[in-house]
This record gives sequence, structure tokens and C-alpha cells, in this order.
Amino acid sequence: KQEVTQIPAALSVPEGENLVLNCSFTDSAIYNLQWFRQDPGKGLTSLLLIQSSQREQTSGRLNASLDKSSGRSTLYIAASQPGDSATYLCAAPSDSGNNRLAFGKGNQVVVIP
Amino acid sequence: DVKVTQSSRYLVKRTGEKVFLECVQDMDHENMFWYRQDPGLGLRLIYFSYDVKMKEKGDIPEGYSVSREKKERFSLILESASTNQTSMYLCASSLYPQGVSNQPQHFGDGTRLSIL
Repeated sequence: KQEVTQIPAALSVPEGENLVLNCSFTDSAIYNLQWFRQDPGKGLTSLLLIQSSQREQTSGRLNASLDKSSGRSTLYIAASQPGDSATYLCAAPSDSGNNRLAFGKGNQVVVIP
Repeated sequence: DVKVTQSSRYLVKRTGEKVFLECVQDMDHENMFWYRQDPGLGLRLIYFSYDVKMKEKGDIPEGYSVSREKKERFSLILESASTNQTSMYLCASSLYPQGVSNQPQHFGDGTRLSIL
């Protein structure tokens, strides 16, 4: 069964620092991995989907890397801003079925002005 | 942009009531999903549908049912609401299964449901 882990559960960084968020998964035979952002009391917003054939995917200040062999993905956010404060979740297809995603519990990020 | 719309942001109901949560997507997606999200437990899949009138149980289907009469609409039904169903409910959709395609899931804004 695919298990996705995100550690630490919460972290704080000063404004301007680069953020590094880690996601690990147990089943490396994944088709892709998706990163989401969730603001308090809101739904999930898709940030990046990185395909299994890719090593990196970039969107603005965000960069996601994928290392299937080690079961890891990393989300980098450059020059963090207070508006980046949110919970970031990663999700990978579950081996329980093509339509299922296994979610991590998220990294709750606070960017301190 | 994909738009997934959930009918209510906040809902308060009483135990024993039959509760309907509605979700509509505007991108002709085949697949639609209902999750619940609880502190410390993360997101858990309740049901999903891969076509009109087709449904499949997720990880926690007990106490819930679903209906998909039209492609764009997926309803979650709490047959007899109980206090342990107080939660944040999230609807999502995708064009194709993410396990075999690079089509992401898109989420609605969520419904915060309280059962008193």
C-alpha cells in the first residue's frame, strides 16, 4: 500500500529564505506526483504535477524534483514571502487503483515577515 | 481553468438528518471524488465515480452514499447524519485516472459540515 510521508508537520522560516519541503513515498512505481497548497479552511490548489519521466518541474518561484529510486520528492520555494504561508501536501497514485491518490498529511508553513 | 464548485461552504445539521452535499465541475471530467479531511488523519477517500451512474467505494464509505446522474454533478449523501461525520468535505475531479495519465486532480473549496 502506497504511503506518503511529509516531515516536519510544521515549520517557520523568515521572509526571504528559501523553503525546502520533503515528501517520501513507499511505492516507487508511480506515474506522477502532485504538490498542492491548502489555505486555512479552503480546498486544495494544484501547484505542480511532476511526471515519472521528469526529474524537475518549475512554475515561477516553485520547483519540484522527483527521485523515484529513493522514493522522494522535494518542493523548493525560492525567496519565501508571507503569502506563501499555507499547508503544502504531496500526493502520489496509490497502488490500490488507478483512480486513487495517497496523500501526505502536509507541511504547515509559516513565513515570518 | 477547471472549476469545481461545492454548493455550500458551511453547513450545520442535526443528528439523524439526511444530508446532501453537491459538487459540480465544468470541464467534462470523467472522474469525480469525495474526500473528508480531519486533523491528524489527513485526506481520506469516501467514494469516487468514473462515469455517469458508476461509483466505487473508497477507504471510508460507511454511512455515506453517492449519486452521479449527470457527468458534471456528483452528490454525497449522509443517510442519517451522526456527530462523527462532522468534518471538512472536499470534492475533486480529473479528466483521466491519475495512476495512468498525467491529468491532475482539481479540488473545490470544501464544505465545513457540523453535525449537532
